[in-house]
Amino acid sequence: GDSVTQMEGPVTLSEEACLTINCTYTATGYPSLFWYVQYPGEGLQLLLKATKADDKGSNKGFEATYRKETTSFHLEKGSVQVSDSAVYFCALLSGGSYIPTFGRGTSLIVHP
Amino acid sequence: DAGVTQSPTHLIKTRGQQVTLRCSPKSGHDTVSWYQQALGQGPQFIFQYYEEEERQRGNFPDRFSGHQFPNYSSELNVNALLLGDSALYLCASSPGDSRLDYGYTFGSGTRLTVV
Repeated sequence: GDSVTQMEGPVTLSEEACLTINCTYTATGYPSLFWYVQYPGEGLQLLLKATKADDKGSNKGFEATYRKETTSFHLEKGSVQVSDSAVYFCALLSGGSYIPTFGRGTSLIVHP
Repeated sequence: DAGVTQSPTHLIKTRGQQVTLRCSPKSGHDTVSWYQQALGQGPQFIFQYYEEEERQRGNFPDRFSGHQFPNYSSELNVNALLLGDSALYLCASSPGDSRLDYGYTFGSGTRLTVV
């Protein structure tokens, strides 16, 4: 079945450091891929998405590229801020399905 | 414009009891999905309601049931609570026949603790 594997957290960085959170997936066909963010005490918010191979999703300085050859969708940001502290979830949706598959989440802590 | 509203925000129940969680979707949305998020885990899909019927269901036992009302609001019921049911329960709404990537809005969740 479909699955998403994310790197273990927490990831602890200083402000203005570079961020990479790894995500790899297993799925049949060609799924759509997503990154969601969950701030403390809140629900999930869609951060970015990519629907086909080599697509790059981007939002709020975050980027992720759909790599079919490595089945990966790593999240990157060049300079993190304290306000980026949150839990980040990688997710996939297989074609024709209404059931998303989420990774376990990676906590990001950014210190001033 | 209010987003997805869930109630209550926190709840403590005893093992074996029954619980009802409520969700009001975002204005203009008619589809409601429920998810269970255990501590340190990603959200797990429970079921989705559209046009007052359960459209799809995840791998959860029959103890988990739901309902959607004509105004599109929804309830999640869990019977015979187990300690393992302790989790954050998230409701997400979306417009029409859409999937995860189109217009899903999540509520802040109900934190259920079973003791």
